[in-house]
Amino acid sequence: NAGVTQTPKFQVLKTGQSMTLQCAQDMNHNSMYWYRQDPGMGLRLIYYSASEGTTDKGEVPNGYNVSRLNKREFSLRLESAAPSQTSVYFCASTRGADEGQPQHFGDGTRLSIL
Amino acid sequence: ILNVEQSPQSLHVQEGDSTNFTCSFPSSNFYALHWYRWETAKSPEALFVMTLNGDEKKKGRISATLNTKEGYSYLYIKGSQPEDSATYLCALLGSARQLTFGSGTQLTVLP
Repeated sequence: NAGVTQTPKFQVLKTGQSMTLQCAQDMNHNSMYWYRQDPGMGLRLIYYSASEGTTDKGEVPNGYNVSRLNKREFSLRLESAAPSQTSVYFCASTRGADEGQPQHFGDGTRLSIL
Repeated sequence: ILNVEQSPQSLHVQEGDSTNFTCSFPSSNFYALHWYRWETAKSPEALFVMTLNGDEKKKGRISATLNTKEGYSYLYIKGSQPEDSATYLCALLGSARQLTFGSGTQLTVLP
């Protein structure tokens, strides 16, 4: 029962470093999402992929890039990390955004930028 | 971006009490309303997806209603238990097929 798997779980970076957060789902879902969660705020959408081969910006895309590598995997890249990107990042997937299906979330990646 | 407000921000109840909290939204221009339960150090878990005005869903002691005309959804917990302690998130699925989340209601059930 893997569901949505995120790696790594924790990471500390220095300002200016780059890294890629990995996400994979084994539920044959079409749509995948990246969110960030900051204290006092709800989950905010960074990027999403409605289906394999497509990606779109969410509410807070600046400073990030994404790749929908295949149907299973959706990665999030920070090219030049900034302290403002310190956050907890969640990946989620759903069978299809149009179908009124709930999203299934990974356990999160806690990222600190020094 | 849809505007989703949740109230109260936090509340404490005694074990056995019933409680409810609110998700409000100014516009009925959305496809679905989601409720999620988020325990500390875990990931959000879906409770309900509601799409129609008047929708009412139930799972055990937890139920939810949706009133799109007046712009709110209620989440009810009957006979709260300590294991119900969590943050409850409301989210709207808008025209761009993106979920917009509220800030959540943090529930603490005291034994």
